Parts: sequence; C-alpha cells; structure tokens
Amino acid sequence: QSVLTQPPSASGTPGQRVTISCSGSNSNIGINTVNWYQQLPGTAPKLLIYRNNQRPSGVPDRFSGSKSGTSASLAISGLQSDDEADYYCAAWDDSLNGLWVFGGGTKLTVL
Amino acid sequence: QVQLQQSGPGLVKPSQTLSLTCVISGDSVSSNSATWNWIRQSPSRGLEWLGRTYYRSKWDSHYAGSVRSRITITPDTSKNQFSLQLNSVTPEDTAVYYCARDDGRGLVRLDIWGQGTMVTVSS
Repeated sequence: QSVLTQPPSASGTPGQRVTISCSGSNSNIGINTVNWYQQLPGTAPKLLIYRNNQRPSGVPDRFSGSKSGTSASLAISGLQSDDEADYYCAAWDDSLNGLWVFGGGTKLTVL
Repeated sequence: QVQLQQSGPGLVKPSQTLSLTCVISGDSVSSNSATWNWIRQSPSRGLEWLGRTYYRSKWDSHYAGSVRSRITITPDTSKNQFSLQLNSVTPEDTAVYYCARDDGRGLVRLDIWGQGTMVTVSS
C-alpha cells in the first residue's frame, strides 16, 4: 500500500489532455513539494516535474504540474503515443526522521 | 553530466546479505548539498525508499523503518561511490534496486537515478 494515492490507470487519444491525480497527507504533500516521474518499461524513473510545477531542462512544456492542499496533479496535453508509460508522484514526508514516499503509479495508455 | 552506475549480484540466497554499489560520476559523494539514496521497486510494494547517506561536515545516514534493523548505506570517498548492504534477506526483498541522488539546494528532488539492478532472493 503506497503512502500517496494515484489512480491505477488513465487513458486518452492522441492530441487529448489527460490529468493524473496524487493524494497525500499533511506530513508529505501538505507541507512539501511534489515531484513527478515517468517510467518506461525496463528503465529507471525519469524526473518529469519537481517543486510541484517546475520542468527539468529537456522536458516538453506539454507536461505540467500543480498542487493544492494535500493533493497534486500532473497534466499532459497534446498526448503522443510515446507518452505511454507509468507515472509516479513523490514527496518528502516529515514523519519520524523523514523519508521519501511515492504513489503507486498510474499506467497511461494512449488509445 | 551526473551519472550513477550500479553494480552487484542479481541473485542472493535467503538469509544472506544483499550488497550493491553505486559509482558516481560528475558529482561528489562528499557534496555538502546532495544526499545519496537507495530505493527499490517491486510489484507488491511499489517504489519504496530504503535510506540515504550524506555529508554535512560529518557523515550521516537515515533509514526507512521497514528495513532499519537490516540495512547499512556507506560512502566510499576514495572511489566516489556509495553502497547498500541489506542483511538477512528473504524472498520479499526481491525487487529492482535503484540508487538516486537528491541534489539538495532546497529543490527536494531525486533527480538522477542509476540504471537499476534486478535482485532475486532465492535458493
């Protein structure tokens, strides 16, 4: 059972806009920033969004993030076939000595 | 650019010790801002942070409660790398293991990941 809650699946057609939600609590998303990762099969997670809505260099502006309270969202606009991947949210959790917590992942299918 | 290269065995027997190494290029394990992390991923547990080590005028390490009694993460400044040791493994420790950098500087992000090592615990 992951600490952050994501829907297990999402889908869209090419060109569409899809959003993926991530729900946490006051000890993680409520007080810390959210990161999003894209994971293609057989590869390591790749940082897609950090500090809720910042894109590392090289990440297209089709990807955007937002946060409100203890929840966050990833939006992908102009959906492309190679966006088909697993997406994970992550945040630092201030419980105990602190730890990274992750969502269970959302498998995005491009129809 | 910063890269992390993992190495270690892919098969470990139950009750034995899992040992993995992560070699850093383009940054320093002794960085005063970064932390060096181990994370694993399995179908049953998802992505699970295991622990980290870092240098802030002295070395420190923090571990997840789920593995605290069995885990050690140690830096090696001479080889610019850090290592994971997980003792008394069981089949539940079967997972893909990743090393990752949090580059610090207030950004709070695991920005660079190693390529991953599939570790199977089986006799």
